Amino acid sequence: DVKVTQSSRYLVKRTGEKVFLECVQDMDHENMFWYRQDPGLGLRLIYFSYDVKMKEKGDIPEGYSVSREKKERFSLILESASTNQTSMYLCASSYLSTTDTQYFGPGTRLTVL
Amino acid sequence: GIQVEQSPPDLILQEGANSTLRCNFSDSVNNLQWFHQNPWGQLINLFYIPSGTKQNGRLSATTVATERYSLLYISSSQTTDSGVYFCAVPSGTYKYIFGTGTRLKVLA
Repeated sequence: DVKVTQSSRYLVKRTGEKVFLECVQDMDHENMFWYRQDPGLGLRLIYFSYDVKMKEKGDIPEGYSVSREKKERFSLILESASTNQTSMYLCASSYLSTTDTQYFGPGTRLTVL
Repeated sequence: GIQVEQSPPDLILQEGANSTLRCNFSDSVNNLQWFHQNPWGQLINLFYIPSGTKQNGRLSATTVATERYSLLYISSSQTTDSGVYFCAVPSGTYKYIFGTGTRLKVLA
């Protein structure tokens, strides 16, 4: 079975802090994704990566950056957390293109005070 | 870009009842996925269904790509079916667009 893990289930940070969310997949998938989920808005793509060191902006990249130094790990970075970044963050991976299934991690519920 | 709409937005069922969830999309697609998000937030793949019908236990899905919709059927619902159901369609080579989901609550 594909396993996607995220570093924290719950996280509380203060405004202005630098926040790192880590995601690891164990199935040698090429593609990895970060989404945020907010009530009434569904899942919105922040960034994705289709190869090591490669990244592409999604629909809402402002205020975020990402890092993919190893194939299995994809990090989401909030350089200076703000209260409007309080949300559920979901990581996903897939083998190749959108012809393949996406597998999701358990999510990180981030609260910025 | 492609638009994805799901209906109904909310659904409450008594245990044992059947239901049909709908996903409409605005452009032709070459695949579609259905997911279930449990009350703890985990999204689980249910179906990868570009066309036709698939069944998995009490759940089945049908995609009619030419008419741009997909249906998810839940029969003999159980309380463990509660959660949010999402459909997602591809947008380009790597990205998926998700619908806003159907929130299902099954009462014992």
